[in-house]
Amino acid sequence: EDQVTQSPEALRLQEGESSSLNCSYTVSGLRGLFWYRQDPGKGPEFLFTLYSAGEEKEKERLKATLTKKESFLHITAPKPEDSATYLCAVQAKDNAGNMLTFGGGTRLMVKP
Amino acid sequence: DAGITQSPRHKVTETGTPVTLRCHQTENHRYMYWYRQDPGHGLRLIHYSYGVKDTDKGEVSDGYSVSRSKTEDFLLTLESATSSQTSVYFCAISAVVNEQFFGPGTRLTVL
Repeated sequence: EDQVTQSPEALRLQEGESSSLNCSYTVSGLRGLFWYRQDPGKGPEFLFTLYSAGEEKEKERLKATLTKKESFLHITAPKPEDSATYLCAVQAKDNAGNMLTFGGGTRLMVKP
Repeated sequence: DAGITQSPRHKVTETGTPVTLRCHQTENHRYMYWYRQDPGHGLRLIHYSYGVKDTDKGEVSDGYSVSRSKTEDFLLTLESATSSQTSVYFCAISAVVNEQFFGPGTRLTVL
C-alpha cells in the first residue's frame, strides 16, 4: 500500500525566514511525486512533478527536490502570500487510473 | 480551477436524502476523479473515470456511485446521505498521464 507522510503538520515562519517541508513516501515503483498548494476554501493548485531521484524543480521562491524515500519543498525568503497548505502526493507505476495518494499536508503561515 | 466547474458549491441536506454533485470540464481530458477532504484524513479518492461510461472504485467508495455519460461531465451520487458523508468534495481531471487539476470544491453538510 502506498503511503505519504508530511512533516511538520504546521510551520510558522517570519517573512524572509527560509525553511523546508518534508514529504516521506513508500510506493511500489514511483511514476511521479507531485506538490500542490491549497488556499483556504479552494481546490489544490498544481506546483511541481518530480519523476526520479536527484531531480529538482523551481518556481519563484519554491524549490522541490526528490530522493528515493522523500521529497523536500524548500521555501526561500518566504512572503506572507506564501501562506497556504502544501500537499504532497505520489503516483505508482502500476496504476491504471493514474491515481494519486496524498499526504496530510503542511500548513504554512508566514508572518510579516 | 481553469476549465473545471463544480455544482453546487454548497449544499445542506438531510440524512437519507439522495444527493448528486456535478463536475464539468472544458479541457477534454480523459480522466476524471472525485475526492473527499476531511480534517485528519487529507484527500481521499472516492471514484474515478478513465473514459465515457468507464469508471472504477477508489479508496472510500462505499455509499457513493458515479456516472459519466459525456466526456465533459462526471456525476457523484450519494444514494442515501449520512452524516459521515459531510465533507468537502473535489473533482479533478487529468490528461493521459500525470498531473491532476482540481476544481473549486463542493461543501456538503448532511444534517
